[in-house]
Amino acid sequence: EAGVTQFPSHSVIEKGQTVTLRCDPISGHDNLYWYRRVMGKEIKFLLHFVKESKQDESGMPNNRFLAERTGGTYSTLKVQPAELEDSGVYFCASSQEEQAGVMKTQYFGPGTRLLVL
Amino acid sequence: DAKTTQPPSMDCAEGRAANLPCNHSTISGNEYVYWYRQIHSQGPQYIIHGLKNNETNEMASLIITEDRKSSTLILPHATLRDTAVYYCIVRGLTFAGGTSYGKLTFGQGTILTVHP
Repeated sequence: EAGVTQFPSHSVIEKGQTVTLRCDPISGHDNLYWYRRVMGKEIKFLLHFVKESKQDESGMPNNRFLAERTGGTYSTLKVQPAELEDSGVYFCASSQEEQAGVMKTQYFGPGTRLLVL
Repeated sequence: DAKTTQPPSMDCAEGRAANLPCNHSTISGNEYVYWYRQIHSQGPQYIIHGLKNNETNEMASLIITEDRKSSTLILPHATLRDTAVYYCIVRGLTFAGGTSYGKLTFGQGTILTVHP
């Protein structure tokens, strides 16, 4: 079974440009999460999809970030316009549907390394 | 979710057991203890989790104290490839409208260095 995949693995863009990151979760996983680590900081939660619905977007830093998951399969995270402080590693994770009282493990992708110059 | 405290770094000799401690004194009854690790610049890798009983899988063992305020991750025979940052995370099930909130809150973790 394929794991979580992310594309691209690396992206170097200039300040003010737009970048779109893609995440393909493990097949059949309803839950999809985005996290990021900026330089020298801890890994931080960004948002959580359940199928195509945003369940929790409390970690999104500002309105320059837009996440979508049309059809409930893969997800994209767009940064527009990118700023220097957006540089970091963006991770995606997925997990199975969670039912009452049963927690499901999140499995992470390899991440996308974004550098904004 | 409850906050965790881990030592910033630990060393271990190859072939020996690595015992990584974690304090989570404010853990509540429905919160699980999860362990992940991040090797170099890869994505976090799931290791093991538990609620109150000790757990073992092919990667590690998890020992949770009876009061659940602390736990220890045990890598029984550490290898050089186990060098990584290890994260202890406490995660609870919170429901709203029948759907759980599952975000993981990462701390600084413990940098484990396994040396020959």
